[in-house]
Amino acid sequence: EVQLVESGGGLVQPGESLRLSCVDSGFSFSDHGMRWVRQAPGKGLEWVSAISNSGGVTYYIDSVRGRFTISRDNSQNTLYLQMNSLRAEDTAVYYCARLVNHYMDVWGKGTTVTVSS
Amino acid sequence: DIQMTQSPSSVSASVGDRVTITCRASQNIGNLLVWYQQKPGEAPNLLIYAASTLHSGVPSRFSGSGSGTDFTLTITSLQPEDFTTYYCQQANSFPLTFGGGTTVEIK
Repeated sequence: EVQLVESGGGLVQPGESLRLSCVDSGFSFSDHGMRWVRQAPGKGLEWVSAISNSGGVTYYIDSVRGRFTISRDNSQNTLYLQMNSLRAEDTAVYYCARLVNHYMDVWGKGTTVTVSS
Repeated sequence: DIQMTQSPSSVSASVGDRVTITCRASQNIGNLLVWYQQKPGEAPNLLIYAASTLHSGVPSRFSGSGSGTDFTLTITSLQPEDFTTYYCQQANSFPLTFGGGTTVEIK
């Protein structure tokens, strides 16, 4: 069974950094683009970042561009999101998701990031 | 950016009812529209992709239609497990954008 497991969330102060990880099991990780999607408490879904299967192409939502970096290590079946200069508005559950064609078919359970002083 | 407007934001219905949720894109996205279901405290689950293709394992009471800018998700004969929140998402261009969500509540 295909499974994605996120980790790395936690409570940090504004301006600090975190690195999220997402490990896959059960599918050919290097065949698929990957996405990060977040959900602030009580709010809807917001796409954050995307990366191609090779890692050579990346995209970001404007509000995180220059602060967040998406990357992947296909030898370790792992996706990353390096988050710097964190702000209160980055507080959310962060999900990683696998891309198939144009849709996200497998999602992790999420990891919670809280930015607060 | 493509704006996705989902309506209604909430709907009250009973078990066995038919419910329709609409999603409008601010520009033509062809059929690159996806529907997700999300239960409280859980990750979203894929329901429908390419506007009308049912994902594997999704019950046939769910259906999607539309193209261009106007799309619908229909749930026929609501079951107890269907009372939750639904999101549309455009997959046409970055930034990927979601509708605001529709919560189906028990009447």
